[in-house]
Amino acid sequence: SQTIHQWPATLVQPVGSPLSLECTVEGTSNPNLYWYRQAAGRGLQLLFYSVGIGQISSEVPQNLSASRPQDRQFILSSKKLLLSDSGFYLCAWSGQGVNSPLHFGNGTRLTVT
Amino acid sequence: AQSVTQLDSHVSVSEGTPVLLRCNYSSSYSPSLFWYVQHPNKGLQLLLKYTSAATLVKGINGFEAEFKKSETSFHLTKPSAHMSDAAEYFCVVSGFSGGYNKLIFGAGTRLAVHP
Repeated sequence: SQTIHQWPATLVQPVGSPLSLECTVEGTSNPNLYWYRQAAGRGLQLLFYSVGIGQISSEVPQNLSASRPQDRQFILSSKKLLLSDSGFYLCAWSGQGVNSPLHFGNGTRLTVT
Repeated sequence: AQSVTQLDSHVSVSEGTPVLLRCNYSSSYSPSLFWYVQHPNKGLQLLLKYTSAATLVKGINGFEAEFKKSETSFHLTKPSAHMSDAAEYFCVVSGFSGGYNKLIFGAGTRLAVHP
């Protein structure tokens, strides 16, 4: 069966520090991969998606970047965190089919101080 | 363009009573629809999905949803609420754009279950 791992679960970082969140998927190949952010009391915002290695698309301009160095690895990064980057970050994967649902990791709670 | 509206931001029920979480959608073509549940500080878990097969969809944990094209609705129901059902629920409509599944999330409905 397929599983998705996301870490760390919680992270407290000072403003201006770098960020690296990692997500890996097991049990499937060539998944679509996604990074979402969920701010307190708000819905989910799609940040990045990837349909293949090295292929990253950004939905919104921001202080963050994403990379996909391997088929089942998706990394969210920042060179210098802002206070507004605080939130709950969720990685997800889906199959290639039109009706494939997303499967989410357990999320990372990021607090920028 | 596609959109989804969850009609209630908060719903409160007593344990053992029915649950109804309402969702309306807008889509220019036959959509795929999903319901997800999120417990505090956890990821989202897929409850059920509709993909143009049976209009009444059964999901996990006793939940089900009915696709009504004439009403553009996809309401989530459960006959008897359990304390463990307290969580946030998201209605989602799916479109396929640019080679990936573009999911549009509703704002969420927070379900409280009282003893």
